[in-house]
Amino acid sequence: AQSVAQPEDQVNVAEGNPLTVKCTYSVSGNPYLFWYVQYPNRGLQFLLKYITGDNLVKGSYGFEAEFNKSQTSFHLKKPSALVSDSALYFCAVRDANAGNNRKLIWGLGTSLAVNP
Amino acid sequence: KAGVTQTPRYLIKTRGQQVTLSCSPISGHRSVSWYQQTPGQGLQFLFEYFSETQRNKGNFPGRFSGRQFSNSRSEMNVSTLELGDSALYLCASSVATGTGGVTEAFFGQGTRLTVV
Repeated sequence: AQSVAQPEDQVNVAEGNPLTVKCTYSVSGNPYLFWYVQYPNRGLQFLLKYITGDNLVKGSYGFEAEFNKSQTSFHLKKPSALVSDSALYFCAVRDANAGNNRKLIWGLGTSLAVNP
Repeated sequence: KAGVTQTPRYLIKTRGQQVTLSCSPISGHRSVSWYQQTPGQGLQFLFEYFSETQRNKGNFPGRFSGRQFSNSRSEMNVSTLELGDSALYLCASSVATGTGGVTEAFFGQGTRLTVV
């Protein structure tokens, strides 16, 4: 069965420090992986995705994520955190071999707090 | 380009009533998905529509239904509302280029449903 785990409910970092939001996944085939961000009272915004190719994916707002097949992980990173990065972050996975089953499986989210 | 529009933004309904939520996707997007978001359960997939056909369905009771119109606009309906249906309902649209394409979803701001 497909699943996504975001092991940390909350991550706290100081502004200017690097941040990491963790995500591990489980799919039977190859994964398509996504990161989204949700600001208060807003819908989700797409940050980046991994489909194939380079394991390091760069996305919006200076975020990047590294796909690690052996560890089945897709951690979100940013070299220097901003207070405005404070939000709820979601990781999602889809099985690349699932054909027309485009259902995304979502993690429960990680709340990121960047302190000034 | 207009984003995904969901109406209404807020709803208060009484237990036992029914409700209809509306979603207008981004122009040109033919796939519309619906999610229920609650603090404890995260994002739960309801269903996906493509070209007026339900393509995927989540594990929700039959009280939850949806449809898509020829202009790609979608509605979801919940009948016989229960207190546990209180949630943020999110709609997402994507281009959905076919099984070989993997495109990100664009989310609306959601409809906050409160059942009392």
